[in-house]
Amino acid sequence: EAGVTQFPSHSVIEKGQTVTLRCDPISGHDNLYWYRRVMGKEIKFLLHFVKESKQDESGMPNNRFLAERTGGTYSTLKVQPAELEDSGVYFCASSPQGTTEAFFGQGTRLTVV
Amino acid sequence: AQKITQTQPGMFVQEKEAVTLDCTYDTSDQSYGLFWYKQPSSGEMIFLIYQGSYDEQNATEGRYSLNFQKARKSANLVISASQLGDSAMYFCAMREAREFVGYQKVTFGIGTKLQVIP
Repeated sequence: EAGVTQFPSHSVIEKGQTVTLRCDPISGHDNLYWYRRVMGKEIKFLLHFVKESKQDESGMPNNRFLAERTGGTYSTLKVQPAELEDSGVYFCASSPQGTTEAFFGQGTRLTVV
Repeated sequence: AQKITQTQPGMFVQEKEAVTLDCTYDTSDQSYGLFWYKQPSSGEMIFLIYQGSYDEQNATEGRYSLNFQKARKSANLVISASQLGDSAMYFCAMREAREFVGYQKVTFGIGTKLQVIP
C-alpha cells in the first residue's frame, strides 16, 4: 500500500513567486493535515481536512496560504506570493477516522530566495 | 496553549546500550495523547509510540517504551538495545482532546538528534 506522497520533494523559488505543494494521502484516509517546520523551530500545525472540508485552519499563517482538498482526495497548499519566511519543510499527514496514529509524508522542502 | 519541551538538542549512545530522550509537556486539558515520532535522514516522520493521558500502564512497542509520569508532566522515550539504524531526529508531540476520536492536531517539540555509535 502506498504511503503519504508529497510533491515536489524540493522547491526553490524567488520571493514573490507562487508555489503549489501537493499531498496524496493514503487511500481511504478521511483526515489530512498540513504541518510546517521552519529551520530550527518546532513543527507547527497548519490545518486539518476531514474529507473535502476544512475542519481547522487555525495554524495557517496568513492569507497568502491557500489549502484545498479536491473531492476529499489529494490536497494542495498554495503560497502566493511567497516570502522569505515561508522557507521550511512542509509535511502532510493522513489518518483514518477513529485512530490515534497519523502517517506522514516525506515533506516538501521549500526554499524562498 | 499546549507546549512540548525537549531539552536535549543532541544525544550520543553506544550501540546496544539503552537511551532516554526527555520530553516534558504543558497542557490544561484533562484528556490528551502523547506521541513520539522518528525522522531519519530520508525525511519521513515515522510514528513510534502513543500514550493516552488516562492510560494506567506505560506504552511499549518493541524496543521503545514511554516513561509516562503524569504528575511531573513528562513523557520520556526509552530506546533499549540501541541499533545503528536508530540514529535520527526524535520528536515528542501532544494531541489536543476533541469530541471525536482520532483528531490529530498535534503540538511538536523541537526534536532531539540521536546518534548511535558503533
